[in-house]
Amino acid sequence: DVKVTQSSRYLVKRTGEKVFLECVQDMDHENMFWYRQDPGLGLRLIYFSYDVKMKEKGDIPEGYSVSREKKERFSLILESASTNQTSMYLCASSLGMRTATLFGSGTRLTVV
Amino acid sequence: EDQVTQSPEALRLQEGESSSLNCSYTVSGLRGLFWYRQDPGKGPEFLFTLYSAGEEKEKERLKATLTKKESFLHITAPKPEDSATYLCAVQASSSGNTGNQFYFGTGTSLTVIP
Repeated sequence: DVKVTQSSRYLVKRTGEKVFLECVQDMDHENMFWYRQDPGLGLRLIYFSYDVKMKEKGDIPEGYSVSREKKERFSLILESASTNQTSMYLCASSLGMRTATLFGSGTRLTVV
Repeated sequence: EDQVTQSPEALRLQEGESSSLNCSYTVSGLRGLFWYRQDPGKGPEFLFTLYSAGEEKEKERLKATLTKKESFLHITAPKPEDSATYLCAVQASSSGNTGNQFYFGTGTSLTVIP
């Protein structure tokens, strides 16, 4: 069964900590994405990558960075976590244009 | 500005009471429209892709249709297990990105009462 796997379902971090969210897909997909989802705001794109070592800013990249050293793995980094980064983070991948984006189960991050 | 709007925000149905969810979009260069189902605390689960006006897709009690301005997700004789948030997304060939970017609506929360 093909899937997108996020390393943690729940995380609690302190303000100022550096946070790593890991995502792995086993479908040999070219494109990978990081979204955050907040009530009333829907899904907002943070960063995406269409190839290894390539990255593009989404709608809300401030306070985040990403790394894609291997095709199957896309990491989201919060350089210095803040309370307004408390959210549900969703990783996704797709094969190419005009194909469905498939999502992981999400990581619920709480910054205290 | 590219935009995706879903209505209603919330919908309560009696079991067996058919209805439709709406997704309207204003994007240039539509590449595809996608429907997802999301259960609380989980990631969105892919349901359908529609590529051109007039296209229809069906899966069990769900049927998705597409026009040039909107898509409908028709739910026929719903059951309590259909309760979830239904998300719509469009992929558009806007300038400034690779064309792989998705624009999501904020979803319709469906509750089916036994």
